[in-house]
Amino acid sequence: TQLLEQSPQFLSIQEGENLTVYCNSSSVFSSLQWYRQEPGEGPVLLVTVVTGGEVKKLKRLTFQFGDARKDSSLHITAAQPGDTGLYLCAGPTNTGNQFYFGTGTSLTVIP
Amino acid sequence: NAGVTQTPKFRVLKTGQSMTLLCAQDMNHEYMYWYRQDPGMGLRLIHYSVGEGTTAKGEVPDGYNVSRLKKQNFLLGLESAAPSQTSVYFCASRDPNQPQHFGDGTRLSIL
Repeated sequence: TQLLEQSPQFLSIQEGENLTVYCNSSSVFSSLQWYRQEPGEGPVLLVTVVTGGEVKKLKRLTFQFGDARKDSSLHITAAQPGDTGLYLCAGPTNTGNQFYFGTGTSLTVIP
Repeated sequence: NAGVTQTPKFRVLKTGQSMTLLCAQDMNHEYMYWYRQDPGMGLRLIHYSVGEGTTAKGEVPDGYNVSRLKKQNFLLGLESAAPSQTSVYFCASRDPNQPQHFGDGTRLSIL
């Protein structure tokens, strides 16, 4: 059983379309992180959200942390082929020493 | 991913063989982590270390051992490899309250 569930698992869209991916849990997290991983590489941190209801923007990417701090979403506007990759969410344990990772959303943007 | 180097990048083993994966970081980070990544499972923590000479179990530690004799190195050992350990292994490092930096992974196949 995964503590963090992501949906959808796979997403294939045309360039220019908008999309939203989700990261859900039944547990409360002090913060959630979003990573992007490209083939053959390790995950790279995109953003950390720390306050319930917080919205952060990174160019065409908008991240939101749920009010109850149990879920988060990533919205991409006008997707580009360079957005292709595996998107992972992660949350810390109570001690902050370890992280739980979500199941991942594999995004393909078709030119 | 400059800063975290994993060796080797690829390896094929036979069931029952042993091997050691090396992770080296040059950022003087306190914490280091070993994860495995399997399709549809995201990243799962195997073992981690919060300082030189310390190690702790993560979510899936069985069949693996680790050592952190030097601050910059974190070794992951498989004493008797099993096909279920076929995976992509990622090492990460960070300082407290800072993001994780990942290596590019070791692709391990057990036949």
